[in-house]
Amino acid sequence: AQSVTQLGSHVSVSEGALVLLRCNYSSSVPPYLFWYVQYPNQGLQLLLKYTTGATLVKGINGFEAEFKKSETSFHLTKPSAHMSDAAEYFCAVSEGAAGNKLTFGGGTRVLVKP
Amino acid sequence: DTGVSQDPRHKITKRGQNVTFRCDPISEHNRLYWYRQTLGQGPEFLTYFQNEAQLEKSRLLSDRFSAERPKGSFSTLEIQRTEQGDSAMYLCASSLATNSPLHFGNGTRLTVT
Repeated sequence: AQSVTQLGSHVSVSEGALVLLRCNYSSSVPPYLFWYVQYPNQGLQLLLKYTTGATLVKGINGFEAEFKKSETSFHLTKPSAHMSDAAEYFCAVSEGAAGNKLTFGGGTRVLVKP
Repeated sequence: DTGVSQDPRHKITKRGQNVTFRCDPISEHNRLYWYRQTLGQGPEFLTYFQNEAQLEKSRLLSDRFSAERPKGSFSTLEIQRTEQGDSAMYLCASSLATNSPLHFGNGTRLTVT
């Protein structure tokens, strides 16, 4: 069975500071990994995904994530936080080639302070 | 691309009543998914369709939950004899094919009183 653990349910950063959201996963097959963002009262929007190939993945809005197999991690970063980054972020893993049946972590809510 | 549409956005019902939610996927997407999200948690997979075929329903939470996609276009999720524990956001998503990104709707928030 797959699982995803996101360390820290809330993160507070200052505008312009580094954003680092941690995600660790467990999977019995090579994983496909995803980060989604959710704004209040809205659905989820895909930020980026890792399937195969390059382990550093760039996404929308300046976010990137690095797949580290040895650490079973897929941490999300953004060098400089913007007020519009305030949202909830979810890491997810899928069953490899099956692709779409995602298992989500519990989410990390990001607060950006001016 | 008009996005995934869900109706209603909010539903308040009394315990024991039946409710039905509708999802209209992006028009060319043949895969459709239902997830449930409770407060403070990530979404939880319930079921999915490829065209009109329901390929997995083992994750549906109980036999009170059922989903249909009769013509391979829109889908409905029904909850019979609602319980307070059913209160949650119900999310629908669609994708073009296997391994294509999921596009989520804005969800239907159910409150059972």
